[in-house]
Amino acid sequence: IAGITQAPTSQILAAGRRMTLRCTQDMRHNAMYWYRQDLGLGLRLIHYSNTAGTTGKGEVPDGYSVSRANTDDFPLTLASAVPSQTSVYFCASSDSMAGGHNEQFFGPGTRLTVL
Amino acid sequence: GQNIDQPTEMTATEGAIVQINCTYQTSGFNGLFWYQQHAGEAPTFLSYNVLDGLEEKGRFSSFLSRSKGYSYLLLKELQMKDSASYLCAVRDSNYQLIWGAGTKLIIKP
Repeated sequence: IAGITQAPTSQILAAGRRMTLRCTQDMRHNAMYWYRQDLGLGLRLIHYSNTAGTTGKGEVPDGYSVSRANTDDFPLTLASAVPSQTSVYFCASSDSMAGGHNEQFFGPGTRLTVL
Repeated sequence: GQNIDQPTEMTATEGAIVQINCTYQTSGFNGLFWYQQHAGEAPTFLSYNVLDGLEEKGRFSSFLSRSKGYSYLLLKELQMKDSASYLCAVRDSNYQLIWGAGTKLIIKP
């Protein structure tokens, strides 16, 4: 059982390039999330998806886009990377976005550096 | 705005007890979570509180007071492997998690 996988593990990217971070879960969770984690700041939500076919904007969505074509996959795309997007990116999933326990499970993260 | 406050860093001794505090101001409240994150790794779930009071789970306990906007995580019988960051997160009225910056806990022998 893999849980959540992310690829790549790390990447160095030239500014202006397009990049897609991949995220796959095998827990059949309905909800998925993308966060970025920067030193001294809490995890910040970029985009989320309540269920396959729907997506929503989080706290810091600018410069990022997502799609949710099926239950398992939730790719994050940077259309034209900028140095301020240098960060560690975590994908997460939960059974739903509703109340109750519904803990989020996290992937191992992607460390992205934009030069 | 929404805000979660935690101490940046704490130090404790192996075998001792430590309490990590978290205060929050959020638009709505639908539960509070504590996660553990070892350096270079993903956060992992520790505890969930939605009602006032203490939830105990082995060496870890978490307390919530909704009227005070306050929670704490209590770690007993500290072990070296407990050296990590501890993240407090509140689920707001939109059912999104608002995260604190985390408390780095250093355990000394």
